[in-house]
Amino acid sequence: GAGVSQSPSNKVTEKGKDVELRCDPISGHTALYWYRQSLGQGLEFLIYFQGNSAPDKSGLPSDRFSAERTGGSVSTLTIQRTQQEDSAVYLCASSLVEGADNSPLHFGNGTRLTVT
Amino acid sequence: GEDVEQSLFLSVREGDSSVINCTYTDSSSTYLYWYKQEPGAGLQLLTYIFSNMDMKQDQRLTVLLNKKDKHLSLRIADTQTGDSAIYFCAAPRGYNKLIFGAGTRLAVHP
Repeated sequence: GAGVSQSPSNKVTEKGKDVELRCDPISGHTALYWYRQSLGQGLEFLIYFQGNSAPDKSGLPSDRFSAERTGGSVSTLTIQRTQQEDSAVYLCASSLVEGADNSPLHFGNGTRLTVT
Repeated sequence: GEDVEQSLFLSVREGDSSVINCTYTDSSSTYLYWYKQEPGAGLQLLTYIFSNMDMKQDQRLTVLLNKKDKHLSLRIADTQTGDSAIYFCAAPRGYNKLIFGAGTRLAVHP
């Protein structure tokens, strides 16, 4: 596809349920990032992938959050036992090469997660 | 303190110029970025500037960089209602992370 694709675009879930958010990066982009944007907040870095490995997962807020990437392409962010404070827009981005300092990030439209 | 700081709101009249300011802390940043976010959408890369440049112009957009003061600005000439959005300044921290400011909400009124 032409851009980063995320699904679903909206997800409403009950507190305590698990959710999976999917990201399809731009074809050929080797680096993939997950960010979270909470209401009234800026963007919070969650995790970064280079290929299928995650050299930096320092932004994951708790052990309920995990992410994987397969085939150097699609990534899934999983939130277990969701809490109301997990409600946010989850944004995925990809870049052509590794290194945010020399390769712009291209973002998807995000998944809006609402935990009731 | 915050790595990237921006003012939160800017209101301008249609046709005027808008100037959005940003300060950052990491002096090793090689590239600095401006992103635009419209309601319900992701972040759109607007422009970026290499740190050895003072200015970059791209149609109605002008980016000014004062590396000594770690100050970045985005000027939008002849601001239109379609420019209403949130504008994010972003600077790399280390090798892999892009750190964003809180975003400046630009409101354009007739």
